[in-house]
Amino acid sequence: GENVEQHPSTLSVQEGDSAVIKCTYSDSASNYFPWYKQELGKGPQLIIDIRSNVGEKKDQRIAVTLNKTAKHFSLHITETQPEDSAVYFCAASKGRANDYKLSFGAGTTVTVRA
Amino acid sequence: EAQVTQNPRYLITVTGKKLTVTCSQNMNHEYMSWYRQDPGLGLRQIYYSMNVEVTDKGDVPEGYKVSRKEKRNFPLILESPSPNQTSLYFCASSLYIRADTQYFGPGTRLTVL
Repeated sequence: GENVEQHPSTLSVQEGDSAVIKCTYSDSASNYFPWYKQELGKGPQLIIDIRSNVGEKKDQRIAVTLNKTAKHFSLHITETQPEDSAVYFCAASKGRANDYKLSFGAGTTVTVRA
Repeated sequence: EAQVTQNPRYLITVTGKKLTVTCSQNMNHEYMSWYRQDPGLGLRQIYYSMNVEVTDKGDVPEGYKVSRKEKRNFPLILESPSPNQTSLYFCASSLYIRADTQYFGPGTRLTVL
């Protein structure tokens, strides 16, 4: 099955700096890569996703890049703010009707220092 | 408000005492799923359901049961809980089984003594 590895497990950044989280996946058939943010005491919430026909996607301060050849994808958060402090999960899926399962990374705890 | 609800939010029980965690969504989603979250392991899928009366095992189904008698509800049943099932559980739903946004519930913190 798909194996998703996520690094680092914890990340502390100064407010205003950038944060980068990296994930690798094992199954070359995976083609859908979402990122979820989990705030304290809440369930994960989708913040951005990318599909294999796109190399990069941006949404305001958040961007995701995908390198299918190397089988890795990354989340970039620019100009970090205290509300960016949370646990972030990457995931991968084949995205097919008969094989949709999302495989998650272990998570990255991001702390933004004021 | 569109949401996934879970009950209870917190539960402390003893080994062997059957329990049910309820999950309900009001978005008319076809796909529902249960995950458990453990430190250093991320989210692991327990069971999922593609529609009413259609369920299948995820990665860690041992010790759990589910049912999908109605589209909106997807309860998780632990017939004989054990301490290794102490975890944070999440229910999630999405419109279709294809690669769509999954909406997660707020979580249920279960402790089995």
